[in-house]
Amino acid sequence: SQTIHQWPATLVQPVGSPLSLECTVEGTSNPNLYWYRQAAGRGLQLLFYSVGIGQISSEVPQNLSASRPQDRQFILSSKKLLLSDSGFYLCAWSVLIGSGEQYFGPGTRLTVT
Amino acid sequence: KNQVEQSPQSLIILEGKNCTLQCNYTVSPFSNLRWYKQDTGRGPVSLTIMTFSENTKSNGRYTATLDADTKQSSLHITASQLSDSASYICVVSDTGANNLFFGTGTRLTVIP
Repeated sequence: SQTIHQWPATLVQPVGSPLSLECTVEGTSNPNLYWYRQAAGRGLQLLFYSVGIGQISSEVPQNLSASRPQDRQFILSSKKLLLSDSGFYLCAWSVLIGSGEQYFGPGTRLTVT
Repeated sequence: KNQVEQSPQSLIILEGKNCTLQCNYTVSPFSNLRWYKQDTGRGPVSLTIMTFSENTKSNGRYTATLDADTKQSSLHITASQLSDSASYICVVSDTGANNLFFGTGTRLTVIP
């Protein structure tokens, strides 16, 4: 069966510090991978998606970047965090791009102080 | 503009009671609609997925309906349990690549 992992589960970082969140998927090959952010009281916002190694598409301009160094690894990064980067970050994977079912990880709660 | 709106924003019900959550959308062309359950501090978990031709789909005590003509969906929860306390998110996709539209969710609290 497929499993998706995210870490860390929670993170408190000062403004201006770097960020690295990691997501890995087990039990499937060549998944489509996604990073979402969920701000308090708001819906999920798609940040990045990837259809393959080294292929990253950005949905919104922002302070964050993503990388996919391996088939089942997706990393969300920032060089300098802003207060507005606080939120709940979710990684997801799917077999089909677009309207296919997406399976979410447990999430990372990021608080920028 | 493609949008998904959910109501109510929050709901409190007694354990054992039924409830219905609403989702209205303007997404076009429509591909499918999904209901997710998201426990606090966790990732969303899919409850149901419905395509254009499906009117009703059940998953245990959860029953989703879809009216593609009026672009409305509902999620009915029967005999609620304390573990049903969560946010319920409606997600609609169109036929384009990676076009998912998320509602802001309904926060359900079941009290004993």
